[in-house]
This record gives sequence, structure tokens and C-alpha cells, in this order.
Amino acid sequence: QSVLTQPPSASGTPGQRVSISCSGGSSNIGRHTVNWYQHLPGTAPRLLIYSNNQRPSGVPDRFSGSKSGTSASLAISGLQSEDEADYFCAAWDDSLNGLWVFGGGTKLTVL
Amino acid sequence: QVQLQESGPGLVKPSQTLSLTCTVSGGSISSGSHYWSWIRQPAGKRLEWIGRIYFNGGTNHNASLKSRITMSVDTSKNQFSLKLTSVTAADTAVYFCARGSWVEKGVWFFDLWGRGTLVTVSS
Repeated sequence: QSVLTQPPSASGTPGQRVSISCSGGSSNIGRHTVNWYQHLPGTAPRLLIYSNNQRPSGVPDRFSGSKSGTSASLAISGLQSEDEADYFCAAWDDSLNGLWVFGGGTKLTVL
Repeated sequence: QVQLQESGPGLVKPSQTLSLTCTVSGGSISSGSHYWSWIRQPAGKRLEWIGRIYFNGGTNHNASLKSRITMSVDTSKNQFSLKLTSVTAADTAVYFCARGSWVEKGVWFFDLWGRGTLVTVSS
């Protein structure tokens, strides 16, 4: 499939570990690396993870990524209140002459 | 640090052309290890990639948007632009510009984004 599927919502309490999934297909995640972003409405999305599991400088090691087959996951450990945001995944897709595809986003609530 | 800022009309009439510009500050748009993209998000929907342009003017775009897209780059102004013709209400969205970067073959990601600008298509 040419879209990436994420759960619409996730939640956790401070200090907990939460995981957000991103399911794709053979034309995207199955062939290409996955990137993860954090987004607060009205602000610029922030790159959290690139190439499945790499953190850009400045991103805390509480954020980690993994990929297996046609699915990927973002994990956030030691949950903090400032982690409350939307998270979305992205990958290149080989359909339609090639294009970037995105997950629908997961709204993370810190209880 | 490098920042991206979208600008353009917030309201466009149906059948007209949507025009947006992204200004890159704090760095050069002419870097060979980057490309420059437009991405949009209709309210309540997922992000949709529109296309990308390289500093030399080379482009790729989302085939689903067919021939309505024109992208250009002005290296002298450190800006790149998007034109979307024959707009309808379905083109109402927050439009983002973003920088694509790579670290090795096959590893690309958007490492910088603008804050986005809302464009409404309405008469």
C-alpha cells in the first residue's frame, strides 16, 4: 500500500515507555528507510529519527526507532509532559514514479 | 541556524493559481547535498508530498497532482517557489516547505521544515 498506517492516539504517564507503530508495504517501508517527526500544531515539524534508528544531534536518547519488514516503530522512554505532541512517520515510496508518503499521525497524550 | 519561511496569499479563488514562496535563511539554497520540497496537509488529513526541486532547477513531483504543479528556484534570493494551477476546495491545506538531506545513498530525510502557511481556496 502507498500509505503508512499509524494508530490515531497513544498515551502514557510520566516516566513510562510508549511505542508508536507505522505499518507500510513492500513499495515503501519494505524497501526504504523510515523517518519519524514530532509536530506541535502551528510549529515546524521536528526530525526525531532518520534512517530507521538514527537520532539527529540534539534529540534525546529517550527517542528510539526500529524497523522490521514493512513496519517501523518509534519508542519514547521516560515520558515527559513536553513529549505531548503529534508524531508521524515518513518513507519514500516507489509507486507513481516515486513519492514521499506519510503516516496519518499519532496524537500522544501524557496523562 | 538554517530556517525556512513560507509566504504567499492565504486566500485563492477556485480555478485560479496558488503561488507560494519559501525563503531559506542562515544557509545557502545552492548546497548539492539538499533538495527543497513542498508538502501540504488538509485539515484532519495526512501530509501529502507535492514535489521537490534541486538548486540546479531539476524537479520531481507527485504524479497524482498531474501537470498542475510548477516549481522554481531563485538562488540569488535563496528562495524556491510553488505554483499550483486550477485550484479547487480540495487544495485547501497548510502548505509546508522542507529541506531534504541525505547522509548516504538511499538515506534521505526532511531535516528542516517551515511552520507552514494556511491556504484556503474559496470564492
